[in-house]
Amino acid sequence: AQSVTQLGSHVSVSEGALVLLRCNYSSSVPPYLFWYVQYPNQGLQLLLKYTTGATLVKGINGFEAEFKKSETSFHLTKPSAHMSDAAEYFCAVSAAGFQKLVFGTGTRLLVSP
Amino acid sequence: EPEVTQTPSHQVTQMGQEVILRCVPISNHLYFYWYRQILGQKVEFLVSFYNNEISEKSEIFDDQFSVERPDGSNFTLKIRSTKLEDSAMYFCASKSRDKDNSPLHFGNGTRLTVT
Repeated sequence: AQSVTQLGSHVSVSEGALVLLRCNYSSSVPPYLFWYVQYPNQGLQLLLKYTTGATLVKGINGFEAEFKKSETSFHLTKPSAHMSDAAEYFCAVSAAGFQKLVFGTGTRLLVSP
Repeated sequence: EPEVTQTPSHQVTQMGQEVILRCVPISNHLYFYWYRQILGQKVEFLVSFYNNEISEKSEIFDDQFSVERPDGSNFTLKIRSTKLEDSAMYFCASKSRDKDNSPLHFGNGTRLTVT
């Protein structure tokens, strides 16, 4: 079975500051890992994914995440926050490409001027 | 870019009534999913559908729920007799079969309010 833990239901940063959203996973098989973003009143948009290969993956809007097997982590980072990054971010895991996604509880990112 | 389309965006219904939530997945996709998100809570898997049958369902997906692909384009979720606790945002998603690592594409959701 798979599970995801996102530390911090809310993260507040100033515009221009580093964004770090934490995600730890549990999986009995090699995981596929994803970050999705949800803007108010919208659906879930894929930011980035890790399946195999390079452990540092780059996504849209300047975000990246690093898969660390030894730490069972897949933290999301962005060097410099923009006001437009304010949204809810979900980490998700699946056992393989066609199997269901298991989501974390989400982290709301707040960006102040 | 192709999108998953869900209708309606907001549905209000009375307890005990049947509702049908509609989704048009991306046209060449073969795997279909329904998820729900109760306000303030995590996104939860309901059911996956492939080759005209359910491939997996969660414990949430009880006998009150059903899914159907009535034609080549629509994918529907029916709740037979709604309860207050069914109030949630329901997301449809689809996935192609081209690559194992291709992601799920989500629609914008239908907000279901049961009164």
